[in-house]
Amino acid sequence: DAGITQSPRHKVTETGTPVTLRCHQTENHRYMYWYRQDPGHGLRLIHYSYGVKDTDKGEVSDGYSVSRSKTEDFLLTLESATSSQTSVYFCAISGKSLPNTEAFFGQGTRLTVV
Amino acid sequence: DQQVKQNSPSLSVQEGRISILNCDYTNSMFDYFLWYKKYPAEGPTFLISISSIKDKNEDGRFTVFLNKSAKHLSLHIVPSQPGDSAVYFCAARMGGSEKLVFGKGTKLTVNP
Repeated sequence: DAGITQSPRHKVTETGTPVTLRCHQTENHRYMYWYRQDPGHGLRLIHYSYGVKDTDKGEVSDGYSVSRSKTEDFLLTLESATSSQTSVYFCAISGKSLPNTEAFFGQGTRLTVV
Repeated sequence: DQQVKQNSPSLSVQEGRISILNCDYTNSMFDYFLWYKKYPAEGPTFLISISSIKDKNEDGRFTVFLNKSAKHLSLHIVPSQPGDSAVYFCAARMGGSEKLVFGKGTKLTVNP
């Protein structure tokens, strides 16, 4: 357990509603990431953060926004959920010590948009 | 445009035999490679890694080989155990970046 907590673990929401997923870490890692996992696509980076208030887009960022107001929290928001955003979302952290090695993942959030 | 490719969606081996999972990459700027294992309903967990300055790294039953000229790496598991049954993801990191690029994964099944 690398000290990462994702909430909620499961969520069903309706198309067009806003949804926020939370990632909380207790390890003081500098970098935080949001990935989504879909069959046939593996893990794809949505957004990442390299410090408080410092974020950047990943390869599948359309329809998502993020915020990081504290080192320990990284929020992923779907402003208006669509069925294509039904997925399993993973938060990851890295960068506590150098040289940086692996990223640690949370348990995932299963989101269903109906 | 996939930069990290795992061309075998699945692999089945007998317990006690060797499992070989393969990964190809296209970007020569990658300088660090990792393997993750993922069980259903859990997050990926780090397994083993290798720097681009090495060609082999071993940790117990797991060995990763890197062939830079061929832009190819492989994960060997010897001997394979039923508990190794999982999806294995290959990942790569570009020099100067903290982002990991993942392959699509290979589902390994080890039969008793």
